[in-house]
Amino acid sequence: DGGITQSPKYLFRKEGQNVTLSCEQNLNHDAMYWYRQDPGQGLRLIYYSQIVNDFQKGDIAEGYSVSREKKESFPLTVTSAQKNPTAFYLCASSDGLNTEAFFGQGTRLTVV
Amino acid sequence: QQPVQSPQAVILREGEDAVINCSSSKALYSVHWYRQKHGEAPVFLMILLKGGEQKGHEKISASFNEKKQQSSLYLTASQLSYSGTYFCGTEWDSNYQLIWGAGTKLIIKP
Repeated sequence: DGGITQSPKYLFRKEGQNVTLSCEQNLNHDAMYWYRQDPGQGLRLIYYSQIVNDFQKGDIAEGYSVSREKKESFPLTVTSAQKNPTAFYLCASSDGLNTEAFFGQGTRLTVV
Repeated sequence: QQPVQSPQAVILREGEDAVINCSSSKALYSVHWYRQKHGEAPVFLMILLKGGEQKGHEKISASFNEKKQQSSLYLTASQLSYSGTYFCGTEWDSNYQLIWGAGTKLIIKP
């Protein structure tokens, strides 16, 4: 079955550590996205990529980094520069503009 | 700027109808609607495009008023499965960036 997979589902990070969230899709989609969701709020765009080896910053890119070396993979690194990283992170992919976005099940990151 | 969704929350009895609104301060290119259950991924409902084109599930209906810069999602004869938080995502131009509203929480009671 085609879909988008995020791992891990839960992640705990110590202060000052970098952590990487995985996102893999087998839908052959060109576009991939990373969102952050905080309680009671909508989705905020961190980074997006329209094509392999290219990505753009979203509204809240500071403290995050991404790579897009393969079409099916778009990992997100939460760096120590991100001062408030505790949140629910969602990865999505789509086949282009104005098409349905498919979301992964999310990663809940907690700083301990 | 983030679109404004109203109401913030609504409680219905099974079988009742609801309307969820999404308003923008800027002219819209498209509006996307998704439903999210707690702790799960958002699920696609509908896309409405400037000019009248719609893409989505047959059982969901929505409107897009370009002049008012507003979209409304209509949920009729609600079922328990409709419970969740509804989000609208808006595009001001065709640039791959959706700006999302804060969500409308819908609770359906038997």
